[in-house]
Amino acid sequence: AQSVAQPEDQVNVAEGNPLTVKCTYSVSGNPYLFWYVQYPNRGLQFLLKYITGDNLVKGSYGFEAEFNKSQTSFHLKKPSALVSDSALYFCAVRDPSGNTPLVFGKGTRLSVIA
Amino acid sequence: EAGVAQSPRYKIIEKRQSVAFWCNPISGHATLYWYQQILGQGPKLLIQFQNNGVVDDSQLPKDRFSAERLKGVDSTLKIQPAKLEDSAVYLCASSFLGRGAGELFFGEGSRLTVL
Repeated sequence: AQSVAQPEDQVNVAEGNPLTVKCTYSVSGNPYLFWYVQYPNRGLQFLLKYITGDNLVKGSYGFEAEFNKSQTSFHLKKPSALVSDSALYFCAVRDPSGNTPLVFGKGTRLSVIA
Repeated sequence: EAGVAQSPRYKIIEKRQSVAFWCNPISGHATLYWYQQILGQGPKLLIQFQNNGVVDDSQLPKDRFSAERLKGVDSTLKIQPAKLEDSAVYLCASSFLGRGAGELFFGEGSRLTVL
């Protein structure tokens, strides 16, 4: 069965510094990978996805993620963090070879400090 | 384009009472999902509809949870009777495609507190 691990419950970073939110996955075939962001009392918002092709995916609000098949990782990155990036971030995976749903990690809370 | 609409945003009930949540997906989206998000956890799929048919309800506690999608558009999720462990945010999402590469669009959620 497919699964996602987000090893960090909390990531703290100073404004202007680069940020990384980690995600590793387990799936039998080639994965579809997604990142979502959740602001307080709001639903999840789509940031970016990897389906195929270039391993570096660019998304909304200056975020990007790198697909690494050998390390089964899909870490979220941003070159320069903003205080407004503070939120809860979810990685999700779907195995397109089986008729399986989108499975989410438990989330990582990002706190950007001014 | 209007997003996914959910109501009510907040609901407080006592255990053993019933509650219903409503969702209106994005126009034209054939696939509708209900997820349960317990505090400190990622969203967990409860049920997926394709038009008005159920695709996956394997994680829906069918002894107390039910859901329907009226005419392939709006959907209602009901809990009866509620338990303390049902306290969570219930997220509705929709997508144009089914289990493909398309992203899900989420509503703002309905927060349930069971006392």
